[in-house]
Amino acid sequence: GAGVSQTPSNKVTEKGKYVELRCDPISGHTALYWYRQSLGQGPEFLIYFQGTGAADDSGLPNDRFFAVRPEGSVSTLKIQRTERGDSAVYLCASSQTLGSNYGYTFGSGTRLTVV
Amino acid sequence: QQQVKQSPQSLIVQKGGISIINCAYENTAFDYFPWYQQFPGKGPALLIAIRPDVSEKKEGRFTISFNKSAKQFSLHIMDSQPGDSATYFCAASSTSGTYKYIFGTGTRLKVLA
Repeated sequence: GAGVSQTPSNKVTEKGKYVELRCDPISGHTALYWYRQSLGQGPEFLIYFQGTGAADDSGLPNDRFFAVRPEGSVSTLKIQRTERGDSAVYLCASSQTLGSNYGYTFGSGTRLTVV
Repeated sequence: QQQVKQSPQSLIVQKGGISIINCAYENTAFDYFPWYQQFPGKGPALLIAIRPDVSEKKEGRFTISFNKSAKQFSLHIMDSQPGDSATYFCAASSTSGTYKYIFGTGTRLKVLA
């Protein structure tokens, strides 16, 4: 596609529920990143995929968070037993290769609100 | 050591003026420094980036100045326009790792018409 697509754009869920956030990277981009942006803050790294494997998941805050990229393209970020503190904008980014000189391309994000 | 400190938090500039945003880092392993621009409701968009082998990089009205010894870098927006009003983030990463970015806290720029 022309850009990184994230769905849904907004998600409101009740505390304790399970949510899935989807990211469609730019076609052919092998590197995919998830970031979380809280209000008034810079994005914070969550997890990075190179192809199908999670090469670095050091930013995932706890074991309620999990992400997959089974075919090396679309990725899904999964959050179990959501808490109010999980409310944030979840950003996905992709790049053509690891360490691309062109940096990442970000999607517009999914705004998650846990009530 | 992983932090990137960004200042100011907010900035108001007259149209045609120069906007200057500063960042400082501690981790000497960082060797790639991008700047991103973010409009409300949108994801960050890459503006310009620099590697530490040069002290300055210019693209149009945007210039990055880099001081390796001081571990500081800055974004200069020349001839600032109302359309430049956005939030700007600096970031740093290590090219020997996974290229995950450490972002600054952002600067909200408002350019007055």
